Order: sequence, then C-alpha cells, then structure tokens
Amino acid sequence: ETGVTQTPRHLVMGMTNKKSLKCEQHLGHNAMYWYKQSAKKPLELMFVYNFKEQTENNSVPSRFSPECPNSSHLFLHLHTLQPEDSALYLCASSPRVAEPNEQYFGPGTRLTVT
Amino acid sequence: GQNIDQPTEMTATEGAIVQINCTYQTSGFNGLFWYQQHAGEAPTFLSYNVLDGLEEKGRFSSFLSRSKGYSYLLLKELQMKDSASYLCAVSDSNYQLIWGAGTKLIIKP
Repeated sequence: ETGVTQTPRHLVMGMTNKKSLKCEQHLGHNAMYWYKQSAKKPLELMFVYNFKEQTENNSVPSRFSPECPNSSHLFLHLHTLQPEDSALYLCASSPRVAEPNEQYFGPGTRLTVT
Repeated sequence: GQNIDQPTEMTATEGAIVQINCTYQTSGFNGLFWYQQHAGEAPTFLSYNVLDGLEEKGRFSSFLSRSKGYSYLLLKELQMKDSASYLCAVSDSNYQLIWGAGTKLIIKP
C-alpha cells in the first residue's frame, strides 16, 4: 500500500465510449502525475500537476483530458480512444515538482480499447 | 535525445547475487532512481543516488558513476520474491524522470 489509490483497476472500452480514471493520494503531496506504461517500453510521462496547476503536457493527444480539482485527486478523462491506447495507466504523487523527489505510484488501471 | 538503457531480461538462482546495469544519456542530471515493480503492481522506490559511489540498503545496493553515465543495482542472497521488473530512472535538468524500459528478473530455485 503506497498511499495512492486508483480506480478502476481494469477497464474495457470501445472506441466511441467516454470513461474516466480516478486517482487519489493520501500522502499530503503537492505534485501528481499520469504515466502510460506499455509492455517492454519505458514509462511515458503524460501530465504533471503542481498545486492543482498543470505544469507539463508531453504532447499527449486531446482524446486524453486530465483534471485536478485539488492536490489529492487526479482524473484522466478518456474519449474516442484508439486500440494503441491500450496500456497500464499509472498515477503517481510526490511532495513537490522541481526537486528529485521519490514518486509514489498507484497500482494502475489496465485499459483495453476494443 | 535522452536515453536510458538496461537489459530486457535476466535470470538468476535463488541465494545468488545479480547485478542489473543501467547506462544513461540525459540533458542534465539530478540523480538516479531504482524502482521495483512486481507484475500487476505499482512500482515501488528502492534507491536514489546523486553522488558517485555505492549506497547499501540491506540486501540491495546501488552504484553510480556520473562520469561514465552508469549505474547498477546489486541484489544479494536472492529470494523468489525478488522476481520482478527493475526500473532505472534519471531526474533530468527539469527534474523530470526519464525511464528505462525495465529489466525483468527471473529467479529460479
């Protein structure tokens, strides 16, 4: 148990569906991250939030839309996804950005796009 | 470009020692992390090196040579529960983590 929870753990969706992934951290951290993990590939940083403000968007397609209502919660809204978007989506948090902090990860959402 | 290289897969025997190497080329360096990830689970932090040398933490040790762009993770007295993927990541000049693809470690009895 890392103090970061993610729901759902598994999600199967069609290309025309709209769904949302949820992440919550109970560590009092100010920075939150979304990563995509595909088999045998490095973790890809998608978005970074610092004190609820988005600080990084690493050229992520607009079919992924993040939302951070407060420092403890992070959402990833999904719509009109493609089969190549199937992957493990990991949420992480750290005390701050702009420092080499250890990141704490949630267990991930395994997404399958059909 | 930025690049982290580590072997895709390694096999070792229970009770033995294994060394997992990581080489990196990044724009700036603010430290190197090792994480462990069991199948279907979250990555968990193992170690952080920012200065050259060896950091020991129980059965696990991590080494860094900044001049060579090189690190290794040393696991001693291997146990079956050490079967996992080991991820190397470098904090670059913007404090973003640049990740390797991970090394899958298989432990055999």
